[in-house]
Amino acid sequence: RKEVEQDPGPFNVPEGATVAFNCTYSNSASQSFFWYRQDCRKEPKLLMSVYSSGNEDGRFTAQLNRASQYISLLIRDSKLSDSATYLCVVNAESRDDKIIFGKGTRLHILP
Amino acid sequence: GAVVSQHPSWVICKSGTSVKIECRSLDFQATTMFWYRQFPKQSLMLMATSNEGSKATYEQGVEKDKFLINHASLTLSTLTVTSAHPEDSSFYICSASEKFFGPGTRLTVL
Repeated sequence: RKEVEQDPGPFNVPEGATVAFNCTYSNSASQSFFWYRQDCRKEPKLLMSVYSSGNEDGRFTAQLNRASQYISLLIRDSKLSDSATYLCVVNAESRDDKIIFGKGTRLHILP
Repeated sequence: GAVVSQHPSWVICKSGTSVKIECRSLDFQATTMFWYRQFPKQSLMLMATSNEGSKATYEQGVEKDKFLINHASLTLSTLTVTSAHPEDSSFYICSASEKFFGPGTRLTVL
């Protein structure tokens, strides 16, 4: 099983719709979880951290399910500008504090 | 917020030459920086952890003699791709923590 797995997509979603993606992780000792957004040929940018209690930032909601070892990202009222690749990131909290990136889920918002 | 810069943003070189990429933390000190590589349509893969004042820690499969890392100060880490070949063409990104990434350097080796 890969350390961090995501559905690569693409998800083609009409503007205004709600879309959700999941990300599974294999290391049960993982402590920190993040969603990043990466635009084509750009560096990844932190979208939001994922807390055990779940968190919401405007149209974006992130959830963590430790029992099933996955995190999710929900985007409501999607905008054209939401089109990007969304990367799931897990910090294994090892000595080197390495973070592991998923391969990303591509999202295309259609006008 | 904290900013990480990289230079150059893109470089094209001939096969066999060496290329140096700089990663700077602009308004904070970073004892540890990370170097990633991303091939088209692939995820970021950690290459090495750069530690200020000591040797870098390389991930399995990354040749330390080919990818030289120097972290001489708390604000600068450099990655040198020695004797670059076309298969080294990639997007190289540095980070100073899980939150702060450089803008990346696109390397094309002809």
